[in-house]
Order: sequence, then structure tokens, then C-alpha cells
Amino acid sequence: GAGVSQTPSNKVTEKGKYVELRCDPISGHTALYWYRQSLGQGPEFLIYFQGTGAADDSGLPNDRFFAVRPEGSVSTLKIQRTERGDSAVYLCASSQQGGFGYTFGSGTRLTVV
Amino acid sequence: EDQVTQSPEALRLQEGESSSLNCSYTVSGLRGLFWYRQDPGKGPEFLFTLYSAGEEKEKERLKATLTKKESFLHITAPKPEDSATYLCAVLRSNYQLIWGAGTKLIIKP
Repeated sequence: GAGVSQTPSNKVTEKGKYVELRCDPISGHTALYWYRQSLGQGPEFLIYFQGTGAADDSGLPNDRFFAVRPEGSVSTLKIQRTERGDSAVYLCASSQQGGFGYTFGSGTRLTVV
Repeated sequence: EDQVTQSPEALRLQEGESSSLNCSYTVSGLRGLFWYRQDPGKGPEFLFTLYSAGEEKEKERLKATLTKKESFLHITAPKPEDSATYLCAVLRSNYQLIWGAGTKLIIKP
């Protein structure tokens, strides 16, 4: 597509529930990144995919967070047993072959109540 | 500890009033410094990459410069549409980006 698409744009969920956030990167971009951004802060790295594999998942805060990219295109970030502290904007970015001039999506605003 | 600090947190200028935003960093093995612009409700938009001290990049009313300890984003004769949060990020030797908290720039007409 023309840009990075993230769905849903907003998600409100109850504490303890499971959520999935979707990212559709720019066609042909092999690198895909997930970041989390809290209000008034810069993005915080979560995970980086090169193709189908997670090249660096050191930013995932704990084992409740998991991400997949089975066909090397669309990625899904999965959060189990959500907590109020998980509330943030989750940003996805893609680039060609790991270049750092990323193109970001508009993010999914997750609110855990 | 690797760190990126941006100042000021917020800056209000009149249209046409030039100024500079600062990004200071302490990172071992710097591989690059990036400037992004972020509008409310949007993801960051890439502006510049700087790789070595002394390097400069320009785009319209914006110019980014880099020294061994900091980077400046100079804004010349800004317009209201330049209002946004400007984010700085530094690429570490392990190829992870560390981000500053941003400077919120408001340009009044």
C-alpha cells in the first residue's frame, strides 16, 4: 500500500483481556518495527522483524507480549492478560532492508480499563 | 547509560521568529542521529539522518547539524504549519534506536 496501515486506530479493553493489533507495512518493505509511545515520551522499541523472523525482540517488556509476521508482510502484536500499564499508542514502522528512515503508521491507541 | 535528552520541552514562537531545538546524547558507538516530526494523532515522520560530526542537512525551513555531543534543529522564519513535536533518535552500535521525549513547537500566526 501507499503507507503503513494500523488497525484498529483505537482499542479499549478490560484489564485481563487479550488484544491483537495489526500492522500492514508498505509493500516491499522487508523490515518491520513495533514501538510503544506513552504521552509526552518518545517511542520505545519493542521488536524488529526482518522478513518473517524476529531479528530483535529485546524490547518486549515481558512474556505477555508476542508478535508474529508469518508471511513477511502483515504483522500482529498480541498482548495477553492486559494491564492498565499497557495503555499507550502502539506504533508500527517499516523500511527497506533495515534502513532507519522509517515510515510509521498512525498507531493504535490502546486503553486498558 | 545511553541517553537522549531534548530541550526545551516546549517552545512557542511567533511566525517568522527563528530558533533552534537541541538534542544532546550520551551513546557509545553512535551510528547515526535521526530527526522526526510528529503531528497529533499521527506517527513520526522522518526528516533527516546525520552520521558524523560536522554534517548538515537542510529541508525547506529546517536545518539539522551534528556535533560529537549534540544535534541542533534550526528553524528559520517558521510558519504555523511547522507546529508539531520534533523527535530526535540516536542509533546505537547494536542498531537499536534510542529516542528523546521530543520538543513541542508551537508557531503563532
